Amino acid sequence: NAGVMQNPRHLVRRRGQEARLRCSPMKGHSHVYWYRQLPEEGLKFMVYLQKENIIDESGMPKERFSAEFPKEGPSILRIQQVVRGDSAAYFCASSHTTGGNQPQHFGDGTRLSIL
Amino acid sequence: GQQVMQIPQYQHVQEGEDFTTYCNSSTTLSNIQWYKQRPGGHPVFLIQLVKSGEVKKQKRLTFQFGEAKKNSSLHITATQTTDVGTYFCAVYNTDKLIFGTGTRLQVFP
Repeated sequence: NAGVMQNPRHLVRRRGQEARLRCSPMKGHSHVYWYRQLPEEGLKFMVYLQKENIIDESGMPKERFSAEFPKEGPSILRIQQVVRGDSAAYFCASSHTTGGNQPQHFGDGTRLSIL
Repeated sequence: GQQVMQIPQYQHVQEGEDFTTYCNSSTTLSNIQWYKQRPGGHPVFLIQLVKSGEVKKQKRLTFQFGEAKKNSSLHITATQTTDVGTYFCAVYNTDKLIFGTGTRLQVFP
């Protein structure tokens, strides 16, 4: 499957634990985007990364959230000390290039549930 | 920040009826994209419009970009149950996509 791969599909955490969400972009894509979707709502941009660089993190909460896209391996969205309000679907998307006119290809998402 | 509004929020139609969703921006857009998200699924890119007044068709779907490039519409002719889902318009703000509020379409057989 050459599409965007996200894992896990479902993740359950207790309040205070850490959540790690992984995303492997489509083959040949070097631009990765993370979005959060609350139930019955639209997608909210969180962060845009290229290999080893965070380009735009204007949608990321200032605390507890971090993202990386290392030279080797998938992009990681990390949420520390999770709270109930973090429950949402987190989608990763990738594109071949950037420039404001590229379609984005989405993964199946990770549904995060906080107990 | 940039906002993109969509109406209606929900639309319930009988199978065979037409459906239209509208997307409005307060600023002039360089281009606009449309995505479909099935229930429990992920957004899937449908199309991109670039030119003022542009009209594109995909089978029963017709996409239009306004003359002033501030609004867009998606029209589905003779809906089918497979059209169920949420339709989002999306625009780029520098390097990030800003999604519209979405229109959820429900089709009754």
